[in-house]
Amino acid sequence: QVQLVQSGSELEKPGASVKLSCKASGYTFTSYSMNWVRQAPGQGLEWMGWINTKTGNPAYAQGFMGRFVLSLDTSDSTAYLQISSLKAEDTAVYYCARRGPDTSSWFDYWGQGILVTVSS
Amino acid sequence: SYVLTQPPSVSVAPGQTTMITCGGNNIGSKSVHWYQQKPGQAPVLVVYDDWVRPSGIPERFSGSNSGNTATLTISRVEGGDEADYYCQVWDSSSDHFVFGSGTKVTVL
Repeated sequence: QVQLVQSGSELEKPGASVKLSCKASGYTFTSYSMNWVRQAPGQGLEWMGWINTKTGNPAYAQGFMGRFVLSLDTSDSTAYLQISSLKAEDTAVYYCARRGPDTSSWFDYWGQGILVTVSS
Repeated sequence: SYVLTQPPSVSVAPGQTTMITCGGNNIGSKSVHWYQQKPGQAPVLVVYDDWVRPSGIPERFSGSNSGNTATLTISRVEGGDEADYYCQVWDSSSDHFVFGSGTKVTVL
């Protein structure tokens, strides 16, 4: 069965960097793009960007350019989100989500989420 | 950028029907997807392409989309349906996925 298993919660200080992982199993990793979604405490879902798992090319939503980097390790079926120069407002749950098949525009499987807390 | 507008909350009695709206400019020309998110859990896809239910989603969940409003309808509401619901589209003009602001469904 399809699973997206994300790494554990992180507690970081302002200015630090963090790299979050999302390990996929149960399907061919390079056949589906991977997306990342942020949810700040008590807030809604915000799409951050996606990465083409065939080519490794990322694309970022407005507001997530510069400090946010998406990457892959296709040999391990894992997607990564690195956030640098962390700010308090980066405190949120970060989800990876698989985009559905072919030209679909929905997210059919989600990771369990990673809580990132930025605090001094 | 494309904006999706949802009511912040709706309340419904068990066994009744509730409708959650998602407003957007000419949203009827787009494919709309809906997610259910319970507290502390990841979102779950409950309807895609306006009205299609993924495997395992009860028939009580249905969707429609026309004009400037898409709607998720939950029939015969149960206590387990209490959750936040989000609509989502792909905005081709910006190459962005967009989520609505979310609607909290409270079962009385």
